[in-house]
Amino acid sequence: DAGVTQSPTHLIKTRGQQVTLRCSPKSGHDTVSWYQQALGQGPQFIFQYYEEEERQRGNFPDRFSGHQFPNYSSELNVNALLLGDSALYLCASSLDGYSNQPQHFGDGTRLSIL
Amino acid sequence: AQKITQTQPGMFVQEKEAVTLDCTYDTSDPSYGLFWYKQPSSGEMIFLIYQGSYDQQNATEGRYSLNFQKARKSANLVISASQLGDSAMYFCAMREARIGGATNKLIFGTGTLLAVQP
Repeated sequence: DAGVTQSPTHLIKTRGQQVTLRCSPKSGHDTVSWYQQALGQGPQFIFQYYEEEERQRGNFPDRFSGHQFPNYSSELNVNALLLGDSALYLCASSLDGYSNQPQHFGDGTRLSIL
Repeated sequence: AQKITQTQPGMFVQEKEAVTLDCTYDTSDPSYGLFWYKQPSSGEMIFLIYQGSYDQQNATEGRYSLNFQKARKSANLVISASQLGDSAMYFCAMREARIGGATNKLIFGTGTLLAVQP
């Protein structure tokens, strides 16, 4: 039973560039959430996708956008990269309607902005 | 606003001893869930234990137990018989349940770095 998979594992970009991160949820899960974890901090919620729509969004600018595909996989896009976007980006999947079940996380994508 | 507070930036414990990691939370929603995750240096977030706001008993999962004190809004993680492999960052998180059980975002604390000494 495959867990949550994220790609790529590491990425280096320069300021102003655009990046796309990818996530495949755990088998049987239909909801994908994205989190940003800066060094030494706890993860911060970016947004959540369910039924191919953004259902909830955290306090992140419009430079952060996403998409969910019919197979429940998801992408996170960040435009006009800033140095402050350097972080570990975590994807988590869950099954809608089961609020007592944990979100399962992938290993994350480490994004470095030069 | 919902908030999770972890006041211990770092903790040391001797191998085979028990350790308690503190977590307090703030929410006005009567229905919520509390989670503990472990994050090794490699980065993945590993789910440890869950406590629902209406659960009457403290949650337990193997060597992990959750000391849930609802009136004090605390949800401390207790690790018994610490092992060297327990050395990691530990995060307390809260999820508020919506009507219909829709999955909601997780709010994390700043974490506690646990070091298990031989």
